[in-house]
Parts: sequence; C-alpha cells; structure tokens
Amino acid sequence: ETGVTQTPRHLVMGMTNKKSLKCEQHLGHNAMYWYKQSAKKPLELMFVYNFKEQTENNSVPSRFSPECPNSSHLFLHLHTLQPEDSALYLCASSHKLQGGTQYFGPGTRLLVL
Amino acid sequence: AQKVTQAQTEISVVEKEDVTLDCVYETRDTTYYLFWYKQPPSGELVFLIRRNSFDEQNEISGRYSWNFQKSTSSFNFTITASQVVDSAVYFCALSDSSGGSNYKLTFGKGTLLTVNP
Repeated sequence: ETGVTQTPRHLVMGMTNKKSLKCEQHLGHNAMYWYKQSAKKPLELMFVYNFKEQTENNSVPSRFSPECPNSSHLFLHLHTLQPEDSALYLCASSHKLQGGTQYFGPGTRLLVL
Repeated sequence: AQKVTQAQTEISVVEKEDVTLDCVYETRDTTYYLFWYKQPPSGELVFLIRRNSFDEQNEISGRYSWNFQKSTSSFNFTITASQVVDSAVYFCALSDSSGGSNYKLTFGKGTLLTVNP
C-alpha cells in the first residue's frame, strides 16, 4: 500500500449504530487530520494529531471520537450520528504541521439513515 | 482573517481548449503557503502544487502551469490543451499563521471543471 488509505470506502449506518473509520498513512508523516466534506460546503477541519497528540478539535460534537494510536494510524469512532452527519470524511497526513503539504486519502462516503 | 476566493463556480470547455482557474487569497502574514488540489468524482483530493510566499517564480508541469502574483494576491492555475480526464473539482488552499494555527488549510469553495469531448 502506498500513500494514505481509508476504510471503508462507503458506509451506511443507522442513527443508533456504532462504527469506526480507519485511516493509515504509509508516508512516514508525523501529522494526521480528519476533514468533513458535505455537499455544497467547504471542507471542514475536524481534528489534528501531531506525533499522536491531538492538537486541534474544531468544535466537533462528541458523537465523533478520534483515536490516534501511533503516527501511522488514525481512527474516527462514530456513535449515535444524525442524518446531517452524512458526508465524505477525508483523512490526510503531512510530514510537519507548519507549511507541510497534506496528502489525502480517498475518503469514506458516509450515509446516516 | 485568511480567506480564499475561487470566483468561478463551474467552467465548461471543449477538449484541447486552454482553461485558467482563478484563485485570490487574503492573509496578513508575510509567510504563507498556497496549494492546489484536484478532486475527481472518486472523491480523493490529489495534491498538485505547493508554493511558499517567498517564491514567486511561476511553475510549469506538463500541461499544468501556475501564475503566482503577490501584487494581486492571486495564484491562478492554467491547464493547456485540456483533456476529458481533467474534469474534476479544483481547490485552491492557503496555509498561514492566522489565529495561532500555522497549519490549518483554508480552502476555497472549488471550481468544477468539465471538459467535453
């Protein structure tokens, strides 16, 4: 595997389900990011981790819970989501925070019923 | 506050035409970084170019070229001899130190480019 991978690519879940999104980067980067992309809205930064430590929580509801066990893996745990949470969730990584180029994964298309 | 404006929401061209995507940015910093990303229908954001504020040299990569002009705060992207595979949403983005976060990417709203055969 190369670059940034995300699984699953597509996910349909009910509002009472619990699911997790997984992101893995094979670039040796130190920072990882979660973004949300809703239809007709700009990309929204959700969380940032640098060397496994969370450096940013952009006022994200607690039904989204990130986890970064090491610099190569990032998870987003989902619990009791709402239909408006349906979106494309993109993971990215960069070598460094300041000015670092962020490389994105293919995203997970999430539909909450 | 930092801001990125992509005034063109949608552009439609015929194959082999040249097309320029506009990007205008706002920042109070003297050190900042500009990016272009391509998002095809599959959804993945593909990195195209990164430019720092001290490097105004224009860049050409195959059919792609970028024109960075600090005097007009613009970072425009031109595709020469467009192809159907160029059809995608293109995002311009800015990274500066505004608000104490020197890594946040501020994205424009994107320009949907459709290249027709």
